[in-house]
Amino acid sequence: DAKTTQPTSMDCAEGRAANLPCNHSTISGNEYVYWYRQIHSQGPQYIIHGLKNNETNEMASLIITEDRKSSTLILPHATLRDTAVYYCIVRALSPTGANSKLTFGKGITLSVRP
Amino acid sequence: DAGVIQSPRHEVTEMGQEVTLRCKPISGHNSLFWYRQTMMRGLELLIYFNNNVPIDDSGMPEDRFSAKMPNASFSTLKIQPSEPRDSAVYFCASSLWGSSQGEQFFGPGTRLTVL
Repeated sequence: DAKTTQPTSMDCAEGRAANLPCNHSTISGNEYVYWYRQIHSQGPQYIIHGLKNNETNEMASLIITEDRKSSTLILPHATLRDTAVYYCIVRALSPTGANSKLTFGKGITLSVRP
Repeated sequence: DAGVIQSPRHEVTEMGQEVTLRCKPISGHNSLFWYRQTMMRGLELLIYFNNNVPIDDSGMPEDRFSAKMPNASFSTLKIQPSEPRDSAVYFCASSLWGSSQGEQFFGPGTRLTVL
């Protein structure tokens, strides 16, 4: 069962910010929001994750609403190399640190145009 | 670091043949995951190991599929006998159990075609 819903596709102009939305209205208190992306013919790549606070790293920013029912991944200056399928995933992390599985949905296809 | 290494990168075989896919995780990682990706079903987790022990194999499609992890640096996914519907890209991923991020690092995948 899908825990997240994402639009099928979107595009943006090179150099502009890309804002990718994700709904996760049934998220539990111990579940994190993860984002991965998959560039054509490559394996998925981790981007960022968060619990309730906004997060930023060298690749992107993650904005999580206060009720945690939705989030937005922001690529501040999209390039052609950012064209990929982006997956929003909710996932619990065990207190013991044991890995739980990632369940990938269909993701959103981002096309960055010149 | 070389990242996750998978071999072969491409495999073409005939129905009924045995297929073995190989994976070398990132050194020091102690969790390993096998995924399968098709257009119809997307990216599915088949099985994962923690410290070489299989934890969850509920995604393994049927008895024709088996996976082993004899040591921390090597895993195999075997299909015997193979069928055309097994055609897919198979990814291996590894991560560090107990890391705060739980980030999984994926290999380049093996593209399997069963004729």
